[in-house]
Amino acid sequence: KAGVTQTPRYLIKTRGQQVTLSCSPISGHRSVSWYQQTPGQGLQFLFEYFSETQRNKGNFPGRFSGRQFSNSRSEMNVSTLELGDSALYLCASSLEVRGSTEAFFGQGTRLTVV
Amino acid sequence: GQQVMQIPQYQHVQEGEDFTTYCNSSTTLSNIQWYKQRPGGHPVFLIQLVKSGEVKKQKRLTFQFGEAKKNSSLHITATQTTDVGTYFCAGYNFNKFYFGSGTKLNVKP
Repeated sequence: KAGVTQTPRYLIKTRGQQVTLSCSPISGHRSVSWYQQTPGQGLQFLFEYFSETQRNKGNFPGRFSGRQFSNSRSEMNVSTLELGDSALYLCASSLEVRGSTEAFFGQGTRLTVV
Repeated sequence: GQQVMQIPQYQHVQEGEDFTTYCNSSTTLSNIQWYKQRPGGHPVFLIQLVKSGEVKKQKRLTFQFGEAKKNSSLHITATQTTDVGTYFCAGYNFNKFYFGSGTKLNVKP
């Protein structure tokens, strides 16, 4: 079966701009989680969506937002980009709520803010 | 709040040596998962442990879940260069799910 698909794979944006990242989970998976990964910082949890509802949210500013559609696809939006937002953004889908079953990660979107 | 601590942060070994990474939680976990991320790649699920004292093996990898379900370990016997990467544990309890900071393993041939 198809894995988790994230688009785009690479993105370069200017400070102050906004960006939207997309994630298509594995078919049948209801949970989609987003993570930010920077060198030396591990996986920082952004938020989780389950059946179109945000279940959990990490400690990120309100500039980071997301949503999930009825087909489970999810988008993440970052407004007013800052240089520190440069990172690999990973999306993970799971059959049930985050942590209760294995998570399948996409290849990520590498965002560079200049 | 609850966190999952993972040590060591880095480990450099000679090929053929053993490697162990440890994961500790301040509270009891319902389960613990382990993931591996190769350089330039994304995390890939390795295993999930659920039972107290559980031990599972995958070829040269041995995973343990502590009796109190607060700690876990991943042990690799006779490392190979293909084992290079970052190993993450992730603990789950009461709708809270925390990733450890990861252990980056480098294997010298």
